[in-house]
Amino acid sequence: GENVEQHPSTLSVQEGDSAVIKCTYSDSASNYFPWYKQELGKRPQLIIDIRSNVGEKKDQRIAVTLNKTAKHFSLHITETQPEDSAVYFCAANPPQKVTFGTGTKLQVIP
Amino acid sequence: ETGVTQTPRHLVMGMTNKKSLKCEQHLGHNAMYWYKQSAKKPLELMFVYSLEERVENNSVPSRFSPECPNSSHLFLHLHTLQPEDSALYLCASSQEPVNYGYTFGSGTRLTVV
Repeated sequence: GENVEQHPSTLSVQEGDSAVIKCTYSDSASNYFPWYKQELGKRPQLIIDIRSNVGEKKDQRIAVTLNKTAKHFSLHITETQPEDSAVYFCAANPPQKVTFGTGTKLQVIP
Repeated sequence: ETGVTQTPRHLVMGMTNKKSLKCEQHLGHNAMYWYKQSAKKPLELMFVYSLEERVENNSVPSRFSPECPNSSHLFLHLHTLQPEDSALYLCASSQEPVNYGYTFGSGTRLTVV
């Protein structure tokens, strides 16, 4: 089955700096890679996703890159703000199943 | 609301009690899921229902019993739970094949005393 590893487990950045979270996956059949943000006490919410036929996708301050050959994908947040503080989960999606990473707790220090 | 509603939001139960968690989705999705989220642990998949049929049961103890009467409703029946079952239980729905992500409910915070 799919195995997703996510690093780092915690990340602290100064407001305005960039944050990068990295994930690796094992199943070459995975073709969809969503990222979820979970604020304290709230539900996970989909913030961006990328499909296997695309190498990079950007939405305002967040971007995701995918390297299919190396089986890794990353979330990039630029110009971080305190409201970006949350736990971020990556996921890899072979057909019929989703596997989540272990989560990264991001703290943006004002 | 996100389109996925979970009740109750909080539940405290004794180890001998029987209770049920409810999830309802208004998105027209054809798959529903139960996840367990504990402190310092990743999201643990418990059950998957696709087109109202259970397609996944990740070695979950029998004290957890799912029910999916139709594509919009999902239940998790609980009985004789243990304190280590205390966690946030999240329901999610999606449209199979899952290539547009999950929509999660707000979860039920369960405490077993």
